[in-house]
Amino acid sequence: DAGVTQSPTHLIKTRGQQVTLRCSPKSGHDTVSWYQQALGQGPQFIFQYYEEEERQRGNFPDRFSGHQFPNYSSELNVNALLLGDSALYLCASSMYRALWLYEQYFGPGTRLTVT
Amino acid sequence: AQSVTQPDIHITVSEGASLELRCNYSYGATPYLFWYVQSPGQGLQLLLKYFSGDTLVQGIKGFEAEFKRSQSSFNLRKPSVHWSDAAEYFCAVGAKGSSNTGKLIFGQGTTLQVKP
Repeated sequence: DAGVTQSPTHLIKTRGQQVTLRCSPKSGHDTVSWYQQALGQGPQFIFQYYEEEERQRGNFPDRFSGHQFPNYSSELNVNALLLGDSALYLCASSMYRALWLYEQYFGPGTRLTVT
Repeated sequence: AQSVTQPDIHITVSEGASLELRCNYSYGATPYLFWYVQSPGQGLQLLLKYFSGDTLVQGIKGFEAEFKRSQSSFNLRKPSVHWSDAAEYFCAVGAKGSSNTGKLIFGQGTTLQVKP
């Protein structure tokens, strides 16, 4: 049973560019959440997708956007990259059902470096 | 606002010694609580969770945690640490409320070093 997968593993971009990160949820899961983890910090919630709609959003600017596809996979897009966007981006999947929503399983992350 | 504090940034224990990692949360009602472990360059692995009921929760890899409402704490324990337990540990609370449902709020983490 494949767990949560993310691609790419590493990415280097220049300030002002745009980036797309991808996530495939664990089998049986229908909800995807994205987190940003800066170096030495705990993960911070970006947003959550279910049924192809953004259901919850954290305190992140509109430069951060996402999408969920009918097969439950998801993309995170970041426009106009800033140096401060350099971080590990984590995708987590869960089931959109009562407490199961909180039992989130994380992928290995995408390390984004902005130069 | 809901928040999580992990008072210890770095802890060093000897292999075979017992371990306790501290976690304090700020939340008015009964919280949903979690512990995750992150090895270098890896994602987060769920160690254990608390939603309700028995306040002593057993997890994977021999870890347990105890919910103490009076102290707003959810400390992680292991009776005998192995060298492979060296990692970063994160405590998290599940946010509630219509605008927060499903969000996990994480502490800053505790780095565990294990001495041979």
